[in-house]
Amino acid sequence: AQSVTQPDIHITVSEGASLELRCNYSYGATPYLFWYVQSPGQGLQLLLKYFSGDTLVQGIKGFEAEFKRSQSSFNLRKPSVHWSDAAEYFCAVCPYSSASKIIFGSGTRLSIRP
Amino acid sequence: EAGVTQFPSHSVIEKGQTVTLRCDPISGHDNLYWYRRVMGKEIKFLLHFVKESKQDESGMPNNRFLAERTGGTYSTLKVQPAELEDSGVYFCASSQDLASGAYEQYFGPGTRLTVT
Repeated sequence: AQSVTQPDIHITVSEGASLELRCNYSYGATPYLFWYVQSPGQGLQLLLKYFSGDTLVQGIKGFEAEFKRSQSSFNLRKPSVHWSDAAEYFCAVCPYSSASKIIFGSGTRLSIRP
Repeated sequence: EAGVTQFPSHSVIEKGQTVTLRCDPISGHDNLYWYRRVMGKEIKFLLHFVKESKQDESGMPNNRFLAERTGGTYSTLKVQPAELEDSGVYFCASSQDLASGAYEQYFGPGTRLTVT
């Protein structure tokens, strides 16, 4: 079945530490890939997207993600987290066959340890 | 440029009552989407409008949900009668013409619906 998997429900990292949030998808072709963030009381904000081309994508707030076709992964990274990065992060895909709807992963909640 | 707006931000209703959620997309965006996140679950697609037409309503859970987009501008999502399992956060999103290759969807802040 088509799905997006975020294996980590909750992650806690220390401020200043590096971060990697995992995401795997299962689709026949390479879909459009996204990472969204939802801060407390806020809506969903697009961090970055991959449509084609360079597999290392730069986003806002110092985030980047790398698309690895062989692993069907699109992991999100940040070299040094800030307390303001505490939020819930969603990996999402938009399959080629259906450019209309986005399929979301279940989300990873990030907590920052002072 | 104003973003996607949703009203109300929070609604608390009793089981059996009716609630109408509203979404105003970004001006000029032909595509409008509804999603919802039930507590503890992933965000799921409900339906997609292209202008005033329903392009895909495969995610609508049942006939208690009615979405409209008269005139191709704002959209409403009515739940009648509401059930306990309808509680969650309802997100609206909009995007430009898909034919131009612009697949990026911009999301609103969501409406938190609580059915008691």
